[in-house]
Amino acid sequence: GEDVEQSLFLSVREGDSSVINCTYTDSSSTYLYWYKQEPGAGLQLLTYIFSNMDMKQDQRLTVLLNKKDKHLSLRIADTQTGDSAIYFCAETLSSNTGKLIFGQGTTLQVKP
Amino acid sequence: DAGVTQSPTHLIKTRGQQVTLRCSPKSGHDTVSWYQQALGQGPQFIFQYYEEEERQRGNFPDRFSGHQFPNYSSELNVNALLLGDSALYLCASSLEGPKGSDTEAFFGQGTRLTVV
Repeated sequence: GEDVEQSLFLSVREGDSSVINCTYTDSSSTYLYWYKQEPGAGLQLLTYIFSNMDMKQDQRLTVLLNKKDKHLSLRIADTQTGDSAIYFCAETLSSNTGKLIFGQGTTLQVKP
Repeated sequence: DAGVTQSPTHLIKTRGQQVTLRCSPKSGHDTVSWYQQALGQGPQFIFQYYEEEERQRGNFPDRFSGHQFPNYSSELNVNALLLGDSALYLCASSLEGPKGSDTEAFFGQGTRLTVV
């Protein structure tokens, strides 16, 4: 079935690295995404990874994909207070063009 | 580039009423998807429009309907509103890829619907 799960809350100190984890159940996932949502706002696409890749790096963001374990992670280096937000993992399936399946979101709290 | 725009930003309706939400996709995009995000939850897929037709649909009742216009903008209509329809409604636009799969989806700021 289609299911994406995330831990609900993560708290880090400013300057530390943050790692947000996500697991998914459907092995036919094609793209896996990370979105950021600030209070009262829509979703901002941070990065995405194609399912045949293991890693993608984009400035302070590193995405790791373990396809065997169906595990995706987002690492934010040198976390800043402006990174405080809710982070959503999402997948698209090869059988469902364009339909995004989201996790419930991880709230990242960055303490000064 | 204006990105994805949605209107209105906030709306209050009474149970049983009908509501129409609007979305203009990012310039160059031809596909529009609608999502419902209840408080504290991740967005749930409602349906997607491409070439003015509903291409696929999530697990939502027929009270939820939509439309896409020739300029690719879209409307979401909800009839017979229930208290449980209160949520943030998000519109996402994308461009149909070469193999029929969509590329990156960009989201609007959403419409906050409150049903009282």
